[in-house]
Amino acid sequence: ETGVTQSPTHLIKTRGQQVTLRCSSQSGHNTVSWYQQALGQGPQFIFQYYREEENGRGNFPPRFSGLQFPNYSSELNVNALELDDSALYLCASSLSGASYNEQFFGPGTRLTVL
Amino acid sequence: AQKITQTQPGMFVQEKEAVTLDCTYDTSDPSYGLFWYKQPSSGEMIFLIYQGSYDQQNATEGRYSLNFQKARKSANLVISASQLGDSAMYFCAMREGYRAGGTSYGKLTFGQGTILTVHP
Repeated sequence: ETGVTQSPTHLIKTRGQQVTLRCSSQSGHNTVSWYQQALGQGPQFIFQYYREEENGRGNFPPRFSGLQFPNYSSELNVNALELDDSALYLCASSLSGASYNEQFFGPGTRLTVL
Repeated sequence: AQKITQTQPGMFVQEKEAVTLDCTYDTSDPSYGLFWYKQPSSGEMIFLIYQGSYDQQNATEGRYSLNFQKARKSANLVISASQLGDSAMYFCAMREGYRAGGTSYGKLTFGQGTILTVHP
């Protein structure tokens, strides 16, 4: 059973650019959630995808968007990058309908915006 | 208002001793779940323990136990027999509106975290 993987591990972009982060969910999981974790803070929920559709969103602007593919992997896209977008981006997968929907997190992608 | 409050920015404990990490939460939903995660310096969030709002008994997982006091809205994590490898950031998190066997979306709300340092 493979765990949640994310790519790339680290990324450096400049303000105004666009970035795509990728996540492969744990085998058998059909739901993917994305979180943003600023330095020294707890993770903040961005959105969740289930059956290739967004089914929950946190307080993030529309320039944060995502996709989920038929194999349940997912992408997080951020347009018009701002300095405050520098953070650790965590992907979590889960199985909707399971006993308590435990979320398994990937190692994260550390994004630096200059 | 903060939904999850962790009032201890940092905690220190001697190896082999027990330590309690505090967490209080705020929700009006009768159905919710409480989680504790460990985050080492590598960044990965490691699931430790879960407590459902309808669970009658406190959750335990090996050296981890959750002291769930529903009336006080607290869900403290107790780590027994601390080890050097327990040094990390610890987060308390809540998911509201969960229905057993349901498909409600799984937004987790996290606290600010507590840095635990275990001394030899």
